[in-house]
Amino acid sequence: DVKVTQSSRYLVKRTGEKVFLECVQDMDHENMFWYRQDPGLGLRLIYFSYDVKMKEKGDIPEGYSVSREKKERFSLILESASTNQTSMYLCASSLLTGYNEQFFGPGTRLTVL
Amino acid sequence: RKEVEQDPGPFNVPEGATVAFNCTYSNSASQSFFWYRQDCRKEPKLLMSVYSSGNEDGRFTAQLNRASQYISLLIRDSKLSDSATYLCVVNRIFGNEKLTFGTGTRLTIIP
Repeated sequence: DVKVTQSSRYLVKRTGEKVFLECVQDMDHENMFWYRQDPGLGLRLIYFSYDVKMKEKGDIPEGYSVSREKKERFSLILESASTNQTSMYLCASSLLTGYNEQFFGPGTRLTVL
Repeated sequence: RKEVEQDPGPFNVPEGATVAFNCTYSNSASQSFFWYRQDCRKEPKLLMSVYSSGNEDGRFTAQLNRASQYISLLIRDSKLSDSATYLCVVNRIFGNEKLTFGTGTRLTIIP
């Protein structure tokens, strides 16, 4: 079974703090994604990566950055957390071509005070 | 207009009934279509892909209407375990792995 793990289930941070969300997948998938999920807005893509050290902006990249130094690990960074970044963050991975199923991690509920 | 639109529900349906959801998409160039299921406080998981000719997986049937740009999901003989939020998902560009998710339709099966 594909397994996607995220470093924390719940996180509480203060405005202005630097926040790191980590995601690891164990199926050698090329693609990795970061989404946020908010009520009434659904899942929105923040960033994705199709290879090590490669990244592309999604629909809402402002205020976020990412890092992919190893194939299995994709990090989401909030340089200076703000209250409007309070959300559920979901990481996903998929194979590069053809079969588009994305496998999701359990999510990190981030609260910024 | 949203790229993918769904009726948010909730749909409250008695056990054993048949229920159907529709979803519309705005980009006529969309190539791949899916239904994902998300249980309360859990991550989304692929329920089924949607093929041009329509496809069935047990009690679940998915249909695609390209002319009208909508996809549908039919659940027959609904079970309590079908209670979840169903997300309509569209791949925006062929070969590109970016997916657009609808906001979901919430379904509750009542005993």
